[in-house]
Amino acid sequence: QKEVEQDPGPLSVPEGAIVSLNCTYSNSAFQYFMWYRQYSRKGPELLMYTYSSGNKEDGRFTAQVDKSSKYISLFIRDSQPSDSATYLCAMKTNAGKSTFGDGTTLTVKP
Amino acid sequence: NAGVTQTPKFQVLKTGQSMTLQCAQDMNHNSMYWYRQDPGMGLRLIYYSASEGTTDKGEVPNGYNVSRLNKREFSLRLESAAPSQTSVYFCATSEVEWDEQYFGPGTRLTVT
Repeated sequence: QKEVEQDPGPLSVPEGAIVSLNCTYSNSAFQYFMWYRQYSRKGPELLMYTYSSGNKEDGRFTAQVDKSSKYISLFIRDSQPSDSATYLCAMKTNAGKSTFGDGTTLTVKP
Repeated sequence: NAGVTQTPKFQVLKTGQSMTLQCAQDMNHNSMYWYRQDPGMGLRLIYYSASEGTTDKGEVPNGYNVSRLNKREFSLRLESAAPSQTSVYFCATSEVEWDEQYFGPGTRLTVT
């Protein structure tokens, strides 16, 4: 069983929809949680970086961490066609390697 | 600033051929990483270098070697390419080991 499981997708939504992308994990030592966005034929880029349980907001993006349930989510409000990409969750322990999810591909249709 | 650059962008090899993928960064980061990305399998770590002068194996090191030439450059070598090494290869860097990573644009490698 993988340490990090990500909803496989693909996900297709109409423009303006609220999108929820999710990952679960099994290692309770994970303390840092990241979301990367990867456009087609490009390298991943960091979107959100959180440490504690709770919510972190950045514009239309909200990262949510629930350590008790070992569950993290990325919400995208008012989704735009430019949000179409693959989203990768990643997490790491205090001193350990980053572990990536397999990614969820999102398409936002105009 | 170019950030993280990778060469070449595309490469086709025949089975058994060798090649070196180059990665360079101008971010003055200490740590550098090589990943491969295959459909449905996410990013898998091949090798990493926590700092200049050190290298360590990742999840899938077999068939690869690396060299941390200096602080800026980290190369990945395939000594005898196999079709199973057909993939997209990403180099990444971070200021601190395992912190936020910055990725290059990738090298698309096909081995026939």
